[in-house]
Amino acid sequence: DTAVSQTPKYLVTQMGNDKSIKCEQNLGHDTMYWYKQDSKKFLKIMFSYNNKELIINETVPNRFSPKSPDKAHLNLHINSLELGDSAVYFCASSQIPGTHNIQYFGAGTRLSVL
Amino acid sequence: AQTVTQSQPEMSVQEAETVTLSCTYDTSESDYYLFWYKQPPSRQMILVIRQEAYKQQNATENRFSVNFQKAAKSFSLKISDSQLGDAAMYFCAYRRGSQGNLIFGKGTKLSVKP
Repeated sequence: DTAVSQTPKYLVTQMGNDKSIKCEQNLGHDTMYWYKQDSKKFLKIMFSYNNKELIINETVPNRFSPKSPDKAHLNLHINSLELGDSAVYFCASSQIPGTHNIQYFGAGTRLSVL
Repeated sequence: AQTVTQSQPEMSVQEAETVTLSCTYDTSESDYYLFWYKQPPSRQMILVIRQEAYKQQNATENRFSVNFQKAAKSFSLKISDSQLGDAAMYFCAYRRGSQGNLIFGKGTKLSVKP
């Protein structure tokens, strides 16, 4: 019964390809996030959606496009992949307002661009 | 802009001993939350402990406790009776108000020696 699940766990692809990472949460939360963790382990917010609406969009190349078909899903599509996109991408969710306001994370997707 | 600083890239502790991880943050907000997350080699992000800024009492979760010094903008994590399973990256994180993304420090890698 994984609360926040991401697929795939690992993604190896060639430069220039387009790929998607899927995220689903079964916690009934209304806010979802994408974070990027670089090779130095630094975690940074990319996007946040609340009830399918974009509320945070950090300075991210427009090759990255999040899509939220419903409040339980937030997918990340990346066009024209570059070497620098190699990282671990984490999806997270929280309930706002809600008990403890805790963000729950998925297990991460390790993207390797060759 | 809010920032989170973890000044110890790596720390080491003997099993059963106590270790303190440092974190300072910078904000002009009065309503915020602070968190410590643990990331073991499995890369799953696990919430260790959280602190609401309006609460003076330091949060405690079993062997984990914090020393929250609001005026000094300091939020250190103390791990008592360290166990081998505590070995991981530890991230300090800040969130403004009851919603929004987490802002992470660069992490501290904790090693536990048997």
